[in-house]
Amino acid sequence: AQTVTQSQPEMSVQEAETVTLSCTYDTSESDYYLFWYKQPPSRQMILVIRQEAYKQQNATENRFSVNFQKAAKSFSLKISDSQLGDAAMYFCAYTTGANSKLTFGKGITLSVRP
Amino acid sequence: DTAVSQTPKYLVTQMGNDKSIKCEQNLGHDTMYWYKQDSKKFLKIMFSYNNKELIINETVPNRFSPKSPDKAHLNLHINSLELGDSAVYFCASSQVVGSGRLSYEQYFGPGTRLTVT
Repeated sequence: AQTVTQSQPEMSVQEAETVTLSCTYDTSESDYYLFWYKQPPSRQMILVIRQEAYKQQNATENRFSVNFQKAAKSFSLKISDSQLGDAAMYFCAYTTGANSKLTFGKGITLSVRP
Repeated sequence: DTAVSQTPKYLVTQMGNDKSIKCEQNLGHDTMYWYKQDSKKFLKIMFSYNNKELIINETVPNRFSPKSPDKAHLNLHINSLELGDSAVYFCASSQVVGSGRLSYEQYFGPGTRLTVT
């Protein structure tokens, strides 16, 4: 069974600094997709970034980038120039694709200090 | 302009009652999901429908019955509500059939906070 592990329950970062959120996963599949979702206090689940396992290049979306290490089954999220609005819970998620569920990690609460 | 909408956003009810949550997506996606987020914020799949056909039923009590009248709608009916059903329920949708390589990201509704007293 696929599992997603986020071992850090909480992290804190100074505004304008960089922070990295860790995620590891376990799968026997070779083709799969990884995501980071943000859940602010409004509880809306917002897609932050996606990574297809077949792509070697790490995904980037503005201030958000990932470090995807397929052999190590690691998928960390780097947030650069942190802003107060980045404070939220962040979930790492995995799917094999068609008709498949998202398997989520337990999430990490990120706080941003002004 | 809302992509995935859910009604109601809040639902407070007593044990033993029957309630429904409705979900609609206007993204043209072919697959819809229900997830449950518990008090510890853990998210877990409950059901998935592809073009009105049930494809995932993840060991959910049979008090929960999803219904998909068409591929844009997926409703969740819960019978005989229990205290442990209190949670946030999210509807989501994705496109899983199409030409080219898909990325399978799921788009979520705003969630329904169900409180059973």
